[in-house]
Amino acid sequence: GQQVMQIPQYQHVQEGEDFTTYCNSSTTLSNIQWYKQRPGGHPVFLIQLVKSGEVKKQKRLTFQFGEAKKNSSLHITATQTTDVGTYFCAGGYQKVTFGTGTKLQVIP
Amino acid sequence: DSGVTQTPKHLITATGQRVTLRCSPRSGDLSVYWYQQSLDQGLQFLIQYYNGEERAKGNILERFSAQQFPDLHSELNLSSLELGDSALYFCASSDRSGVGTGELFFGEGSRLTVL
Repeated sequence: GQQVMQIPQYQHVQEGEDFTTYCNSSTTLSNIQWYKQRPGGHPVFLIQLVKSGEVKKQKRLTFQFGEAKKNSSLHITATQTTDVGTYFCAGGYQKVTFGTGTKLQVIP
Repeated sequence: DSGVTQTPKHLITATGQRVTLRCSPRSGDLSVYWYQQSLDQGLQFLIQYYNGEERAKGNILERFSAQQFPDLHSELNLSSLELGDSALYFCASSDRSGVGTGELFFGEGSRLTVL
């Protein structure tokens, strides 16, 4: 079945440093979504990418969808303590499979 | 507030028992998804319903079952509980059937502890 892996599993950064998480799917995806889960919270939708090579920005967050639609990345510029949480990518048709997640810790 | 309601928020029970988790989707959403999240783990897809019909199934154990009712609320039934079933169970809803899957709105989860 479809597998979605993310690297790194954990990332500790100093506040103000940049952060990137990478998402790789074993199969081609029709779209990719990104979610953020704060500690003790539930996943919250960030964005959806649909087109091959698509790039979207939300303030300090930049999302990319690979040309082959099998990988994606999320880049955060100048991290803040409010960015702490686990970031998941997700994809799939009906069976929405979540990636393994990257847990981000920001050191003030 | 996502608009998705899950009950109960916490549940403690013993091995061998059976529990039912309930989910009310956002008003107007026809799709309901169930996920299991073990401690510090990812989200494991269990099952998806659309307008009362099962549309997709993940690695859901035979001891687990679910259904979506005509009023669109959904229930996840877990039976013959084992220690390893202890986890956070999330319900999510969407206004799509899966074609160009839309945003999933998650409830706050039901934390199940099996002793």
